[in-house]
Amino acid sequence: EAQVTQNPRYLITVTGKKLTVTCSQNMNHEYMSWYRQDPGLGLRQIYYSMNVEVTDKGDVPEGYKVSRKEKRNFPLILESPSPNQTSLYFCASGEQGARETQYFGPGTRLLVL
Amino acid sequence: LAKTTQPISMDSYEGQEVNITCSHNNIATNDYITWYQQFPSQGPRFIIQGYKTKVTNEVASLFIPADRKSSTLSLPRVSLSDTAVYYCLVEKSSASKIIFGSGTRLSIRP
Repeated sequence: EAQVTQNPRYLITVTGKKLTVTCSQNMNHEYMSWYRQDPGLGLRQIYYSMNVEVTDKGDVPEGYKVSRKEKRNFPLILESPSPNQTSLYFCASGEQGARETQYFGPGTRLLVL
Repeated sequence: LAKTTQPISMDSYEGQEVNITCSHNNIATNDYITWYQQFPSQGPRFIIQGYKTKVTNEVASLFIPADRKSSTLSLPRVSLSDTAVYYCLVEKSSASKIIFGSGTRLSIRP
């Protein structure tokens, strides 16, 4: 089944404790991206990747890191999480670029205390 | 990326046709128009995409006038399960960033 998976789905952590949210797609898509969704602010793109080893900032990259060592994986790293990073996070992938149909993962709900 | 404007919310009833209009006055020649649907706590799901005139698939139709400064997503005979937020996006064929606007919260009543 074609899908985007994220882990964990729910996470409670404390300020400053490094964490990684994994994202994996099995559709051989070149484009992958991360979003956060907050009430009243909608979906905002954090980082995106056009292909392996190619990543770039979205609209809200501060406090986040990503890597794209393999085509299928695009982990989101919070080196030192803060409470303002409490949010619902989505990973997505698309065939080649942003205009292609984006397939979203199920979401990761993060609470930073 | 062209900025889009949509109604914040809309209400309708089961069995009705619902039309959601999106304004994108600054759309460029090589921009495409894409609509996504999002249910609470789920990732957005692609509905339809078009460049001009009319596009239809099994779930919706997309109407784009000649000047392309707006587009209308048409949902025929809606049901309660169509209650969701609908996003209109405008993106170039070479786009790398994706910008979601605030979307339209559609509520369907029995």
